[in-house]
Amino acid sequence: QQQVKQSPQSLIVQKGGISIINCAYENTAFDYFPWYQQFPGKGPALLIAIRPDVSEKKEGRFTISFNKSAKQFSLHIMDSQPGDSATYFCAASILGGGNKLTFGTGTQLKVEL
Amino acid sequence: DAGVIQSPRHEVTEMGQEVTLRCKPISGHNSLFWYRQTMMRGLELLIYFNNNVPIDDSGMPEDRFSAKMPNASFSTLKIQPSEPRDSAVYFCASTYGGGWETQYFGPGTRLLVL
Repeated sequence: QQQVKQSPQSLIVQKGGISIINCAYENTAFDYFPWYQQFPGKGPALLIAIRPDVSEKKEGRFTISFNKSAKQFSLHIMDSQPGDSATYFCAASILGGGNKLTFGTGTQLKVEL
Repeated sequence: DAGVIQSPRHEVTEMGQEVTLRCKPISGHNSLFWYRQTMMRGLELLIYFNNNVPIDDSGMPEDRFSAKMPNASFSTLKIQPSEPRDSAVYFCASTYGGGWETQYFGPGTRLLVL
Protein backbone atom coordinates (compact mmCIF):
# COMPACT_ATOMS: atom_id res chain seq x y z
CA GLN A 1 0.00 0.00 0.00
CA GLN A 2 2.95 2.28 0.38
CA GLN A 3 4.71 1.42 -2.86
CA VAL A 4 5.72 3.86 -5.51
CA LYS A 5 6.30 2.21 -8.87
CA GLN A 6 8.80 3.82 -11.21
CA SER A 7 9.59 3.23 -14.87
CA PRO A 8 11.65 2.79 -16.90
CA GLN A 9 14.51 1.20 -15.01
CA SER A 10 16.99 2.71 -17.44
CA LEU A 11 16.82 5.28 -20.20
CA ILE A 12 19.15 6.43 -22.94
CA VAL A 13 18.45 9.79 -24.56
CA GLN A 14 20.32 11.78 -27.15
CA LYS A 15 21.64 15.19 -26.20
CA GLY A 16 18.93 17.78 -26.71
CA GLY A 17 16.15 15.23 -26.43
CA ILE A 18 13.39 14.90 -23.84
CA SER A 19 13.78 12.44 -20.96
CA ILE A 20 10.57 11.17 -19.39
CA ILE A 21 10.34 9.12 -16.21
CA ASN A 22 7.06 7.92 -14.82
CA CYS A 23 5.82 7.02 -11.36
CA ALA A 24 2.58 5.63 -9.99
CA TYR A 25 1.31 5.29 -6.46
CA GLU A 26 -1.54 3.58 -4.64
CA ASN A 27 -1.84 5.39 -1.34
CA THR A 28 -4.20 8.33 -1.86
CA ALA A 29 -2.97 9.85 1.41
CA PHE A 30 0.30 10.83 -0.24
CA ASP A 31 0.39 14.60 -0.63
CA TYR A 32 3.96 15.46 -1.48
CA PHE A 33 5.90 14.15 -4.47
CA PRO A 34 9.60 15.01 -4.77
CA TRP A 35 12.15 13.86 -7.30
CA TYR A 36 15.71 13.18 -6.22
CA GLN A 37 18.79 13.07 -8.43
CA GLN A 38 21.78 10.91 -7.57
CA PHE A 39 25.21 10.99 -9.17
CA PRO A 40 27.60 8.04 -8.77
CA GLY A 41 29.27 7.99 -5.38
CA LYS A 42 26.96 10.67 -4.00
CA GLY A 43 23.82 10.76 -1.92
CA PRO A 44 20.49 11.64 -3.54
CA ALA A 45 19.67 15.35 -3.70
CA LEU A 46 16.31 17.02 -4.13
CA LEU A 47 15.71 18.10 -7.72
CA ILE A 48 12.12 19.31 -7.79
CA ALA A 49 8.91 18.61 -5.90
CA ILE A 50 5.17 19.04 -6.35
CA ARG A 51 2.08 19.06 -4.17
CA PRO A 52 -1.22 17.66 -5.47
CA ASP A 53 -2.98 21.02 -5.60
CA VAL A 54 -1.24 21.75 -8.90
CA SER A 55 -0.94 19.66 -12.06
CA GLU A 56 2.46 20.88 -13.19
CA LYS A 57 5.58 22.46 -11.81
CA LYS A 58 8.49 23.70 -13.87
CA GLU A 59 11.98 24.63 -12.79
CA GLY A 60 14.30 25.39 -15.66
CA ARG A 61 14.54 22.33 -17.89
CA PHE A 62 12.81 20.10 -15.32
CA THR A 63 9.03 19.70 -15.16
CA ILE A 64 6.83 17.53 -12.98
CA SER A 65 3.43 16.60 -14.36
CA PHE A 66 0.90 15.33 -11.84
CA ASN A 67 -2.33 13.44 -12.51
CA LYS A 68 -4.21 13.02 -9.25
CA SER A 69 -7.08 10.97 -10.66
CA ALA A 70 -4.70 8.49 -12.26
CA LYS A 71 -2.36 8.56 -9.25
CA GLN A 72 0.58 9.16 -11.53
CA PHE A 73 3.31 11.74 -11.82
CA SER A 74 6.21 12.13 -14.16
CA LEU A 75 9.47 13.98 -14.60
CA HIS A 76 10.29 15.59 -17.92
CA ILE A 77 13.82 16.78 -18.67
CA MET A 78 13.84 19.08 -21.67
CA ASP A 79 16.95 19.61 -23.79
CA SER A 80 18.69 16.76 -21.95
CA GLN A 81 22.41 17.23 -21.42
CA PRO A 82 25.22 14.76 -20.69
CA GLY A 83 25.51 16.35 -17.24
CA ASP A 84 21.97 15.12 -16.54
CA SER A 85 23.23 11.54 -16.64
CA ALA A 86 22.36 10.24 -13.19
CA THR A 87 19.88 8.07 -11.33
CA TYR A 88 16.51 9.65 -10.67
CA PHE A 89 14.18 8.62 -7.88
CA CYS A 90 10.59 9.63 -7.45
CA ALA A 91 9.20 9.63 -3.93
CA ALA A 92 6.05 10.33 -1.99
CA SER A 93 5.19 11.29 1.55
CA ILE A 94 2.31 12.31 3.79
CA LEU A 95 2.14 15.62 5.59
CA GLY A 96 2.24 14.83 9.27
CA GLY A 97 3.94 11.54 8.55
CA GLY A 98 7.24 12.81 9.85
CA ASN A 99 8.48 13.59 6.35
CA LYS A 100 8.92 9.87 5.78
CA LEU A 101 9.61 9.35 2.09
CA THR A 102 8.68 6.26 0.10
CA PHE A 103 11.02 6.01 -2.87
CA GLY A 104 10.56 4.50 -6.30
CA THR A 105 13.13 2.01 -7.54
CA GLY A 106 15.09 4.55 -9.56
CA THR A 107 15.79 5.26 -13.23
CA GLN A 108 19.31 5.30 -14.56
CA LEU A 109 19.45 8.03 -17.22
CA LYS A 110 22.25 8.29 -19.73
CA VAL A 111 22.38 11.23 -22.10
CA GLU A 112 24.55 10.56 -25.12
CA LEU A 113 26.29 13.10 -27.31
CA ASP B 1 27.21 24.25 6.73
CA ALA B 2 29.18 21.07 6.04
CA GLY B 3 26.08 19.06 5.25
CA VAL B 4 25.35 15.61 6.61
CA ILE B 5 28.55 13.87 7.60
CA GLN B 6 28.93 10.11 7.53
CA SER B 7 31.80 7.91 8.59
CA PRO B 8 33.44 5.77 7.54
CA ARG B 9 32.99 6.29 3.82
CA HIS B 10 34.04 2.73 3.09
CA GLU B 11 34.05 -0.33 5.32
CA VAL B 12 35.23 -3.81 4.52
CA THR B 13 34.69 -6.43 7.18
CA GLU B 14 34.35 -10.14 7.58
CA MET B 15 31.15 -11.99 8.24
CA GLY B 16 30.33 -12.11 11.92
CA GLN B 17 32.05 -8.86 12.80
CA GLU B 18 30.32 -5.87 14.34
CA VAL B 19 29.95 -2.82 12.12
CA THR B 20 29.13 0.68 13.34
CA LEU B 21 28.17 3.44 10.94
CA ARG B 22 28.09 7.03 12.11
CA CYS B 23 26.14 10.10 11.11
CA LYS B 24 26.22 13.76 12.04
CA PRO B 25 23.08 15.56 10.81
CA ILE B 26 22.93 19.17 9.71
CA SER B 27 22.86 21.48 12.71
CA GLY B 28 19.32 22.50 13.58
CA HIS B 29 17.67 19.58 11.86
CA ASN B 30 15.41 17.55 14.12
CA SER B 31 14.69 14.49 11.99
CA LEU B 32 17.21 11.87 10.95
CA PHE B 33 16.78 8.96 8.59
CA TRP B 34 18.86 5.86 7.85
CA TYR B 35 18.54 4.30 4.38
CA ARG B 36 20.07 1.30 2.68
CA GLN B 37 20.65 1.21 -1.08
CA THR B 38 21.22 -1.92 -3.13
CA MET B 39 20.77 -2.71 -6.79
CA MET B 40 18.14 -5.31 -6.03
CA ARG B 41 16.00 -3.40 -3.53
CA GLY B 42 16.73 0.23 -4.36
CA LEU B 43 16.59 2.82 -1.60
CA GLU B 44 14.99 1.47 1.58
CA LEU B 45 14.18 3.42 4.73
CA LEU B 46 15.50 1.53 7.74
CA ILE B 47 14.59 3.81 10.62
CA TYR B 48 13.93 7.45 11.37
CA PHE B 49 14.21 9.62 14.44
CA ASN B 50 12.41 12.79 15.39
CA ASN B 51 13.90 14.89 18.18
CA ASN B 52 16.26 11.98 18.94
CA VAL B 53 13.39 9.54 19.46
CA PRO B 54 12.96 6.55 17.12
CA ILE B 55 9.60 6.95 15.40
CA ASP B 56 9.48 4.16 12.86
CA ASP B 57 11.89 1.23 12.75
CA SER B 58 9.69 -1.02 10.63
CA GLY B 59 12.32 -1.05 7.91
CA MET B 60 15.04 -2.51 10.09
CA PRO B 61 15.62 -5.92 8.50
CA GLU B 62 16.18 -7.93 11.66
CA ASP B 63 17.47 -7.88 15.20
CA ARG B 64 21.04 -7.74 14.00
CA PHE B 65 20.44 -4.11 13.14
CA SER B 66 20.14 -1.41 15.78
CA ALA B 67 20.22 2.38 15.68
CA LYS B 68 20.67 5.03 18.31
CA MET B 69 20.56 8.79 18.48
CA PRO B 70 21.97 9.84 21.85
CA ASN B 71 21.81 13.54 21.01
CA ALA B 72 20.76 15.91 18.25
CA SER B 73 24.15 15.85 16.54
CA PHE B 74 24.99 12.15 16.39
CA SER B 75 23.49 8.83 15.36
CA THR B 76 24.81 5.33 14.87
CA LEU B 77 23.64 2.32 12.93
CA LYS B 78 25.09 -0.95 14.19
CA ILE B 79 25.07 -4.37 12.59
CA GLN B 80 26.01 -7.27 14.82
CA PRO B 81 26.84 -9.83 13.56
CA SER B 82 27.30 -8.71 9.98
CA GLU B 83 26.49 -10.96 7.02
CA PRO B 84 27.43 -10.76 3.32
CA ARG B 85 23.85 -9.83 2.42
CA ASP B 86 24.27 -6.65 4.46
CA SER B 87 26.66 -5.35 1.80
CA ALA B 88 25.16 -2.10 0.53
CA VAL B 89 25.50 1.66 0.63
CA TYR B 90 24.03 3.12 3.79
CA PHE B 91 22.84 6.71 3.73
CA CYS B 92 21.93 9.04 6.51
CA ALA B 93 19.65 12.00 5.81
CA SER B 94 18.35 14.84 7.94
CA THR B 95 15.63 17.43 7.72
CA TYR B 96 13.85 20.02 9.77
CA GLY B 97 10.23 19.77 10.68
CA GLY B 98 7.52 17.27 9.95
CA GLY B 99 6.11 18.74 6.81
CA TRP B 100 7.42 18.77 3.30
CA GLU B 101 10.93 19.92 4.04
CA THR B 102 13.76 18.60 1.92
CA GLN B 103 15.75 15.64 3.17
CA TYR B 104 19.48 16.24 2.88
CA PHE B 105 21.51 13.10 2.31
CA GLY B 106 25.04 12.37 3.39
CA PRO B 107 27.61 10.86 1.01
CA GLY B 108 26.92 7.34 2.23
CA THR B 109 28.97 4.50 3.68
CA ARG B 110 29.79 1.70 1.27
CA LEU B 111 29.82 -1.52 3.29
CA LEU B 112 31.26 -4.80 2.03
CA VAL B 113 30.92 -7.87 4.20
CA LEU B 114 33.12 -10.74 3.06
